[in-house]
Order: sequence, then C-alpha cells, then structure tokens
Amino acid sequence: GQSLEQPSEVTAVEGAIVQINCTYQTSGFYGLSWYQQHDGGAPTFLSYNALDGLEETGRFSSFLSRSDSYGYLLLQELQMKDSASYFCAVWGGNMLTFGGGTRLMVKP
Amino acid sequence: GAVVSQHPSWVICKSGTSVKIECRSLDFQATTMFWYRQFPKQSLMLMATSNEGSKATYEQGVEKDKFLINHASLTLSTLTVTSAHPEDSSFYICSAGSSSGRGASYEQYFGPGTRLTVT
Repeated sequence: GQSLEQPSEVTAVEGAIVQINCTYQTSGFYGLSWYQQHDGGAPTFLSYNALDGLEETGRFSSFLSRSDSYGYLLLQELQMKDSASYFCAVWGGNMLTFGGGTRLMVKP
Repeated sequence: GAVVSQHPSWVICKSGTSVKIECRSLDFQATTMFWYRQFPKQSLMLMATSNEGSKATYEQGVEKDKFLINHASLTLSTLTVTSAHPEDSSFYICSAGSSSGRGASYEQYFGPGTRLTVT
C-alpha cells in the first residue's frame, strides 16, 4: 500500500520562505507530485519529481530524495494568495495517492 | 492546459434519491478518469478509476453498487450516487490526465468539484 506523511498546518508571514515536507512509504513509486488547493476549489498541479534533486518553477521548488523516501515543496517570497492546502502525491504508474495535506496560512 | 468540467457544481437532494455527476474532458481525450471524495479539511480519497469502455475499478471500501460509474466515451465519465444518505454528503472531484498519456498521468487535471448535500 501507500502512505504519505506531511505536516497538517504551517504558518508563515508574507515574503518569507516555507518548506513543506513529505515522507512516503509505497509499494510502487514513479514520482512525487505536488498539488495546491484553495478552499472550495479543485487541486491544481504544481510540480513533479521523478528523479532525485531540485526542480524550480518560479517561486516554487520541489525536491526529491528517492533513497530517503522524502521530498519537499519550497515556497519563496510568500504572498497572501499562497494561503491554501498543499498535497504531496505519489504517482504509482496508474494512480495518484495523496497525502493528508498541509494547510498553509500566510499572514501579513 | 487541459480543462476538465463537472456538472453540477453543487446539488442538494433528499435522502433516498439518486444523483448523477458528470465529468468531461473538454479539449482532450481520456481513456482513464479518476473519481475522488473529499470531506472538509481532509485529503482526497480515491474512490474509483473509470476506464472508457470497461468496468470501473473501485478502491477497497467503496460500494460499487452505490457509486455507479459509467465511462461511455473518451470525454465523459459519470458518477451516480444511488439511494443517497446524509453521510454521502461530500465534495466529489474527478480528474483526468493529459492526452499524451490518454488519461493516466502524474499530471492530473481536476474538475471544479461537485458539492453534494443530502438532507
């Protein structure tokens, strides 16, 4: 089976940097995805890591260490609009399994 | 990017009635679509994988006779909640992958969701 662990809540101030960690235990692993979901909305795709290392996309970066079964999402220059839930998800080749989600609250 | 629509966006129904939710991929074809349920402040729980032209694959604990899935074409999957009860009230979301993967992809495009309230 699959299980993913991530912190339930993180609070940070505008302009700061925040890192959301994700550890996973899976029976099949192709890669780690990150999704953002605002309250009442649908999840939107942020990033995908299939290989070890850091992937950067604008203010957001995602990291993966397959040997440690660990990844993180790094959000820089936080903005109020970044307040949302962030989910890590393991892609097993035919389906996504989501972590419990991290609720990020950005304060002025 | 690819667009996935859902209809209706919200629905209120009485206990014992059935509700049909549609999921459409608007600008791409998807042989595989996924149906999730999400309770407030919780994660997305995969209910079933909808396969075009064949039976859906249900996750453990999901009653296939209660949650009927039909994937009649490459752009449409429907989820029917039969004999709905208050505990079925939830946010139901579908997703599909890009056309290159024919639906199964790490990059899933999600519909806007359907909020079901059963009274």
